[in-house]
Amino acid sequence: QSVLTQPPSASGTPGQRVTISCSGSSSNIGSNSVNWYQQVPGTAPKVLIYSNNHRPSGVFDRFSGSKSGTSASLAISGLQSGDEADYYCAAWDDSLNAWVFGGGTQLTVL
Amino acid sequence: EVQLVESGGGLVRPGRSLRLSCAASGFTFSSFSMNWVRQAPGKGLEWVSLITSSGSLIYYSHSVRGRFTISRDNAKNSLYLEMNNLRAEDTAVYYCTREPPDYWGQGTLVTVSS
Repeated sequence: QSVLTQPPSASGTPGQRVTISCSGSSSNIGSNSVNWYQQVPGTAPKVLIYSNNHRPSGVFDRFSGSKSGTSASLAISGLQSGDEADYYCAAWDDSLNAWVFGGGTQLTVL
Repeated sequence: EVQLVESGGGLVRPGRSLRLSCAASGFTFSSFSMNWVRQAPGKGLEWVSLITSSGSLIYYSHSVRGRFTISRDNAKNSLYLEMNNLRAEDTAVYYCTREPPDYWGQGTLVTVSS
């Protein structure tokens, strides 16, 4: 059971916009910023969004993040087949003194 | 270019020990806190431990506290994870990451099995 809650799966057709939610609590998302990671099976995770809504250089602006209260969301617009991957949210938890991750969302492009 | 290269994984019997290493380059290692994060086969990401830049502050997850020890050698730009009394549930790919987790290594697989 993950501290942060994500839907296990999401899907969309090419060109569509999809969102992935991440729900936490006051000790993690409510107090700290959220990162989002993309992981293609068999490879290491790659940061997509850091500090809630910032994109590292090289990440397309089709990816965007937002946070409100104890929840966060990752939005992917103009969906492409190459976006098929697992997506994870993460935040520092002040009560646990630990990084906590969501269980991951497997994105399928139909 | 930031690079993190883990090593030291392998097959180990339950109850035995293993030491992982992470060689860092491309950034001022001594200025950054570092993490170990693991991923069991077919499962999600699980944070394991964090060590601050000087090594003065260390945190562990409940699942490894008392069995694993994180350390670093800033002179060698290296991060370590000493894993004792290993269990089958410790089987995972272990990644080292900078803090906050932005850059990740390629991971090293630890398999605990008799």
